[in-house]
Amino acid sequence: KNEVEQSPQNLTAQEGEFITINCSYSVGISALHWLQQHPGGGIVSLFMLSSGKKKHGRLIATINIQEKHSSLHITASHPRDSAVYICAVGDMDSNYQLIWGAGTKLIIKP
Amino acid sequence: DTAVSQTPKYLVTQMGNDKSIKCEQNLGHDTMYWYKQDSKKFLKIMFSYNNKELIINETVPNRFSPKSPDKAHLNLHINSLELGDSAVYFCASSQMRGTGQLFFGSGTQLSVL
Repeated sequence: KNEVEQSPQNLTAQEGEFITINCSYSVGISALHWLQQHPGGGIVSLFMLSSGKKKHGRLIATINIQEKHSSLHITASHPRDSAVYICAVGDMDSNYQLIWGAGTKLIIKP
Repeated sequence: DTAVSQTPKYLVTQMGNDKSIKCEQNLGHDTMYWYKQDSKKFLKIMFSYNNKELIINETVPNRFSPKSPDKAHLNLHINSLELGDSAVYFCASSQMRGTGQLFFGSGTQLSVL
């Protein structure tokens, strides 16, 4: 079992839908990162959080430390949101090395 | 100005050659990283380095070596390239290891023929 599990692996939705991507982890963490990788390959950091909730535009990230779970939400999804979304956690027990989820491939259809 | 820049973007080479990928960050960050993204799209840490400590992923062959001439640069040297080294390599930086926001370079697609 991977230490960081994302679900779903693939998600296809219609433009305008509310999107949720989940991340569960089994290690003690210093922080959790959500990143976005576009089809062109570039990787962009979306959020870094260690508690609570953060919002940036149409993106919302939440984390529940007790349940070791985080969600990334996209409101009013748009085709340009199509990308791979990756969750990664800083592992407190491994000198804060980042452990990466496998990513969620999101396709938003017009 | 690009925050984290890596060159070249594409690198095609023969088996057995030695090659380098350069990475520079202008963010004043303390920690830099090299990641390998394989065909399954997993990002695997190869090295993390700050001005005090190099942490090496023990699964990385010793043909790979990071070189940091200064805090803003972390270059990746690869000796005796093998077919299995073909992948996309990403450089990244953060202010603090494990807790700082990550900034990535645009990636270098390495193809070993």
